[in-house]
Amino acid sequence: GIQVEQSPPDLILQEGANSTLRCNFSDSVNNLQWFHQNPWGQLINLFYIPSGTKQNGRLSATTVATERYSLLYISSSQTTDSGVYFCAVVPGGGNKLTFGTGTQLKVEL
Amino acid sequence: EAGVAQSPRYKIIEKRQSVAFWCNPISGHATLYWYQQILGQGPKLLIQFQNNGVVDDSQLPKDRFSAERLKGVDSTLKIQPAKLEDSAVYLCASSSMDYRGTQYFGPGTRLLVL
Repeated sequence: GIQVEQSPPDLILQEGANSTLRCNFSDSVNNLQWFHQNPWGQLINLFYIPSGTKQNGRLSATTVATERYSLLYISSSQTTDSGVYFCAVVPGGGNKLTFGTGTQLKVEL
Repeated sequence: EAGVAQSPRYKIIEKRQSVAFWCNPISGHATLYWYQQILGQGPKLLIQFQNNGVVDDSQLPKDRFSAERLKGVDSTLKIQPAKLEDSAVYLCASSSMDYRGTQYFGPGTRLLVL
């Protein structure tokens, strides 16, 4: 099946810092989403982005489908950004959303 | 717009007991998903419904897990009998179209099997 690897696995930031999270996938995809799982376990939808670039406030995402990767940018990080960030994909020809390995982010004051 | 609702939020049971979880998707969403998330891992799809028909249940342990979606709206997921390794968070999600669309997740049910 498709492999979805995220990096870095863990990240600690000072409040106000910027960061880039990466998601590599091993096959073509027809669905790619970024999620934030907060410390209470709620999965929050950040972006639906199988290709191209999107921005929402301090967050933006870019997917280069031909090179099989996606990037999530967090600018001016806040303590509320802490949690786990997941990339999830549906492979071309498939019908299941497969989650990546996750990036655990902690933002400190 | 109301989000995906799940209940109960927490459940503690003894092994070999049975348990049921309930999910109400976002109004009008045709596709409903159940995921299992074990601590430290990403969610894993158990079953996917399109209206009230099963699209994919290839990763559902059918000897102990069952799910139904009557009338194409609410859904229940049942475990009988539960094992220690079933301790996890069970997440329900829905989308307005099929697997190619954006999925929205509920708050989850945390299950602990003792």
